[in-house]
Amino acid sequence: EPEVTQTPSHQVTQMGQEVILRCVPISNHLYFYWYRQILGQKVEFLVSFYNNEISEKSEIFDDQFSVERPDGSNFTLKIRSTKLEDSAMYFCASSVKAPNTEAFFGQGTRLTVV
Amino acid sequence: QQQVKQSPQSLIVQKGGISIINCAYENTAFDYFPWYQQFPGKGPALLIAIRPDVSEKKEGRFTISFNKSAKQFSLHIMDSQPGDSATYFCAARIYGQNFVFGPGTRLSVLP
Repeated sequence: EPEVTQTPSHQVTQMGQEVILRCVPISNHLYFYWYRQILGQKVEFLVSFYNNEISEKSEIFDDQFSVERPDGSNFTLKIRSTKLEDSAMYFCASSVKAPNTEAFFGQGTRLTVV
Repeated sequence: QQQVKQSPQSLIVQKGGISIINCAYENTAFDYFPWYQQFPGKGPALLIAIRPDVSEKKEGRFTISFNKSAKQFSLHIMDSQPGDSATYFCAARIYGQNFVFGPGTRLSVLP
């Protein structure tokens, strides 16, 4: 069964450092998303991406964040200068058709900022 | 208006019992209501979803009941099993926009 894969599974970084979280969406999907989940809290939307551009972003997704689809398969989330409060699980998701219909989530990357 | 409320926060059910999780929303523009199941260390997995033109949808042991006038929907897990122990999130979406998730319900099914 096709699935969304994310790497790494766990990333530890020092405050102020840049991190790149990587995702390989399901191959025939057209819409891509990043969500995050702070430990014990609900899943929060960060950004959606379609046709090589951001289609929607939340208040959380400020200038420190960027997304890219550098090639035909990868979808990345970059945090330029990490803060302690960026520590969370980051989930990539993708969907094949209408935005956010039947979105499939990856297993997540746990980001720990120290 | 963009919030989705979910209750209870945690739920303990005996094996074979019925688990019921409730969600409520305010924004009548929501047009798609999925439920996600999340095991520890894993991403949310789509369990079942409903649109507001249907009052009930059943898939195996999982049923969504939808009350459009009350702006409420619920997940029923029949014959609950220990393997169902997970966190369940309801969500809602306006077409073309992102999902809004409820805060989650941690379900524990006792053997």
